[in-house]
Amino acid sequence: QKEVEQNSGPLSVPEGAIASLNCTYSDRGSQSFFWYRQYSGKSPELIMSIYSNGDKEDGRFTAQLNKASQYVSLLIRDSQPSDSATYLCAVSLGSGGSNYKLTFGKGTLLTVNP
Amino acid sequence: DTEVTQTPKHLVMGMTNKKSLKCEQHMGHRAMYWYKQKAKKPPELMFVYSYEKLSINESVPSRFSPECPNSSLLNLHLHALQPEDSALYLCASSQDIGGGATISNEQFFGPGTRLTVL
Repeated sequence: QKEVEQNSGPLSVPEGAIASLNCTYSDRGSQSFFWYRQYSGKSPELIMSIYSNGDKEDGRFTAQLNKASQYVSLLIRDSQPSDSATYLCAVSLGSGGSNYKLTFGKGTLLTVNP
Repeated sequence: DTEVTQTPKHLVMGMTNKKSLKCEQHMGHRAMYWYKQKAKKPPELMFVYSYEKLSINESVPSRFSPECPNSSLLNLHLHALQPEDSALYLCASSQDIGGGATISNEQFFGPGTRLTVL
């Protein structure tokens, strides 16, 4: 059973702080890792994808992957109230057969307080 | 342009109605997906089309019937639904179902159709 675990939160941070969102996964064969942001009542929006160990930065967002520890995280620097949303971690095995299927975590609710 | 469109935005239907949800993408993607999402839950995969052929059916009840008329369009036909089928129905697309050096398996979601079954 492939599992993706996230702290459901809520995670509350003050405006301007760094928000740290964490995700662990059970299948060591996982190759593709994604972070989606979902505002209440809206659809998920892809904000980061990462495939290799290390850090990947895009603006205020940094994704970190450690395959040995089966751990992926998302850092949001200079958090803004507009970052308040549920963040979904999604993992897939990559390619071949049904390996492209995404397994989602249950999401972490982030609240950024002005 | 990473846009997937869905119509209608909202749909209310009775249990004896027949309705259809529509999804369109113009990104040249060859894989399209239907997901169902209940409140405070992650999306659940329903169907996958790859190159206009049904690739995956996640044991979805036959009252949901997908159709892929061409590489840009995906429909979900609804018939005799139950109140518990009320949810946000999401369409997504990706370049391909696989991944590789030059092929992205990133999935992009449309805005969704909020379905209420009375």
